[in-house]
Amino acid sequence: DSGVTQTPKHLITATGQRVTLRCSPRSGDLSVYWYQQSLDQGLQFLIHYYNGEERAKGNILERFSAQQFPDLHSELNLSSLELGDSALYFCASSLAGGLGGELFFGEGSRLTVL
Amino acid sequence: SQQGEEDPQALSIQEGENATMNCSYKTSINNLQWYRQNSGRGLVHLILIRSNEREKHSGRLRVTLDTSKKSSSLLITASRAADTASYFCATSGSSNTGKLIFGQGTTLQVKP
Repeated sequence: DSGVTQTPKHLITATGQRVTLRCSPRSGDLSVYWYQQSLDQGLQFLIHYYNGEERAKGNILERFSAQQFPDLHSELNLSSLELGDSALYFCASSLAGGLGGELFFGEGSRLTVL
Repeated sequence: SQQGEEDPQALSIQEGENATMNCSYKTSINNLQWYRQNSGRGLVHLILIRSNEREKHSGRLRVTLDTSKKSSSLLITASRAADTASYFCATSGSSNTGKLIFGQGTTLQVKP
């Protein structure tokens, strides 16, 4: 158990809909990272938050947004969903915000868009 | 886009044999890490090697790093069926963010 909690574990929805994925980092970790894993694209970095502030942005679509709240949990919002958004979405956390230390991953949220 | 490319994409060996996976990357790095992922599960950190290190050991794992060739290898000795998983290298750049860029991964099957 990594200590990172993601909900929901599975989600099935229709095209055009909006979903919210939630992540609770390990106790004490200030950084939260979101990754998308699909068969064709592999593991893609989406966004990094540190102590409530956005630190880095990766290949995140404009239809996607994220935030980190004062209690350090994070939410990833996916809107106007398309079939191609079907993927495993991982949240990871770390204590620090820079220089690439070890990341602790949650078990992921599997999104299926029909 | 992916930073790293891993080779081979898939590897099948017998229990007790050694498994070697390679990773190449494109830009300068602060460190390189290896992660393991069991099918459909979250990734688990295995080992981190810093850019000024050449070799590191952890149990049955041995990692090497050659920054001149921008490559790394992961060796798993005396493999077990439980080592069956996907293995990913991930690089941390020199920018002031902790994000990691992952390679495409090597799928390892260890046959009992």
